[in-house]
Amino acid sequence: GQQLNQSPQSMFIQEGEDVSMNCTSSSIFNTWLWYKQDPGEGPVLLIALYKAGELTSNGRLTAQFGITRKDSFLNISASIPSDVGIYFCARRIQGAQKLVFGQGTRLTINP
Amino acid sequence: AAGVIQSPRHLIKEKRETATLKCYPIPRHDTVYWYQQGPGQDPQFLISFYEKMQSDKGSIPDRFSAQQFSDYHSELNMSSLELGDSALYFCASSLDVGPSGNTIYFGEGSWLTVV
Repeated sequence: GQQLNQSPQSMFIQEGEDVSMNCTSSSIFNTWLWYKQDPGEGPVLLIALYKAGELTSNGRLTAQFGITRKDSFLNISASIPSDVGIYFCARRIQGAQKLVFGQGTRLTINP
Repeated sequence: AAGVIQSPRHLIKEKRETATLKCYPIPRHDTVYWYQQGPGQDPQFLISFYEKMQSDKGSIPDRFSAQQFSDYHSELNMSSLELGDSALYFCASSLDVGPSGNTIYFGEGSWLTVV
């Protein structure tokens, strides 16, 4: 019930292409967080979602909290080389002070 | 803006030695989290503290302990180090504003290598 299924595990795209990744869970929850991690660095928060159906943008990034509260997607438009990295979805465990992460999506961009 | 500060950034220890990692949360944040990330893995939750009290515990080995001090900084103590403890250790912090609205920010991590 606390597992997050993130897909795809990896993506190889051309610069300028749009990217879409998603996370699903078997249980409902109140928070979706999307992070990007560069090698050897800490996860950096990209977008936080707190309400079912919420659609939030951050520059070229757009994320939505699924209406069923069991899924979320992250889109990146017009990818650029600095978008390379690993993207993690994460959810806060209800009533607990901890985050659970998805398995990550490794994004590679061919110039 | 101030971020989560971790020290040291890199640490090399021998097997069976002890290591201590420090974390300074974002000012006014009341919750601190510790995570361990092995190569190619997603971050695994170890332990968290809310208002200086242990809040939740994850897959933290008995050889590890942590505490949060009166100034809200936290330390992760790791004893009898094993090769498998080599990983990137992250601290994160947040301000508890209820069931939703918590945004958790991570530090840059401390690389521990056990040789």
